[in-house]
Amino acid sequence: RKEVEQDPGPFNVPEGATVAFNCTYSNSASQSFFWYRQDCRKEPKLLMSVYSSGNEDGRFTAQLNRASQYISLLIRDSKLSDSATYLCVVNLGFGNEKLTFGTGTRLTIIP
Amino acid sequence: NAGVTQTPKFQVLKTGQSMTLQCAQDMNHEYMSWYRQDPGMGLRLIHYSVGAGITDQGEVPNGYNVSRSTTEDFPLRLLSAAPSQTSVYFCASSTPSGSRDEQFFGPGTRLTVL
Repeated sequence: RKEVEQDPGPFNVPEGATVAFNCTYSNSASQSFFWYRQDCRKEPKLLMSVYSSGNEDGRFTAQLNRASQYISLLIRDSKLSDSATYLCVVNLGFGNEKLTFGTGTRLTIIP
Repeated sequence: NAGVTQTPKFQVLKTGQSMTLQCAQDMNHEYMSWYRQDPGMGLRLIHYSVGAGITDQGEVPNGYNVSRSTTEDFPLRLLSAAPSQTSVYFCASSTPSGSRDEQFFGPGTRLTVL
C-alpha cells in the first residue's frame, strides 16, 4: 500500500462548480499535512497547510480526519486558473526529510 | 530574491556520462533537498542537507552524490548516468524550524539519459 494515495483523475469540472479531492495516508503517526499545487511542467508550490480543526483560504477548504486517516481539499466556484495537479503531502515526523508526496490529482476546469 | 534556481533546465546525456545539476538559493535557508519526479509516482527524496557540511541520504540515493560547502549551493552529481535516471529533478529549500515549513522548489531540470 502506498504511504499517500490520491485518485489521479483527471477531474474535468465546469467553471463555477465545486470539486473535492481526497487523499489517504497509511502512517497514523504522521505529524503534518499539506496541499501543493503543480502546474504543467512547473515546480510544486504550497497551496495550504491542513490543520486538525480544518482551515479555509478563500475558495479553498482543507479538512483532516485523523481517525480515518484522510485529508480533503474542497474548491468552490472553480476558476479556469485552478486547472493544475494537486499534490497531497504528509510529513511523518518533524524533519523535512520525512515528507511523503502523493502522485497528485489532475484537475481541468472547463469553460 | 531569485528564490531557488536550478541549471540546466534541460539536459540529454549518454549512458555512462557524468554531470552535475546545480541548485542555489538566496533565502538563507538551512535545509535543502533534491527530489526526482517520475510519471505515476510522487516526488521521491534523493539526498538532503540540514546545513553547510551536513548531508544525508533520502529514499533513492543510489547513483547520486551531493555536497554542501555553502548555505547557498547544493549540487547533485550523477556519477555514471543510466536510462533509469531519466526524470525531472527538483531542488527545494526550507527553514528547519519544524514540521510545517513550506518547501520552496526550483523550476526543475529535465534530464534524459539515452
